[in-house]
Amino acid sequence: QKEVEQNSGPLSVPEGAIASLNCTYSDRGSQSFFWYRQYSGKSPELIMFMYSNGDKEDGRFTAQLNKASQYVSLLIRDSQPSDSATYLCAVSRGGGSEKLVFGKGTKLTVNP
Amino acid sequence: NAGVTQTPKFRILKIGQSMTLQCTQDMNHNYMYWYRQDPGMGLKLIYYSVGAGITDKGEVPNGYNVSRSTTEDFPLRLELAAPSQTSVYFCASRGGQGEGYTFGSGTRLTVV
Repeated sequence: QKEVEQNSGPLSVPEGAIASLNCTYSDRGSQSFFWYRQYSGKSPELIMFMYSNGDKEDGRFTAQLNKASQYVSLLIRDSQPSDSATYLCAVSRGGGSEKLVFGKGTKLTVNP
Repeated sequence: NAGVTQTPKFRILKIGQSMTLQCTQDMNHNYMYWYRQDPGMGLKLIYYSVGAGITDKGEVPNGYNVSRSTTEDFPLRLELAAPSQTSVYFCASRGGQGEGYTFGSGTRLTVV
């Protein structure tokens, strides 16, 4: 069973701080890596994706991928109360069907 | 563009009843997926389709059936509903390889 593990949380940070979310995966054949944000009662929305080792930045979000360590992380700089949500890590082996395997998510609360 | 549309948004079923959850996308995506999400858990793949006429089982297919007669529609059928099928169901679609999913707004199903 291919697994994706996330730090269980909940994670609470003050407004303006850096929030760090971590994810490990068991399938060494994983090719694509995604971070989704899910507000309570809503559907997941894609915020970042990566295919190669290294860092990827998009505004206040930075995703980091280390395939050798099978580790993905998401940093949120200058956290805002509107960032309060559950963050889901997902990985795909590719191979045509591109099925995503999701972690259980980390609930982030940003306190004003 | 409507994206991915799911109906109904809420439904209460009695044990043993059957129903169909509807999913339609207008992005001409070949790949479509059904996930369920239980409280505090990640999303679990029920069924997926890589194109019209092609479907396959995911991680938790028991108690469900799907069909894909057109590119746009991917309905999920529940036969003989059981309390264990109480969950939030998300339909998603994907365009090209490596792209993230676009999710529908979800169907909250309660079986009593």
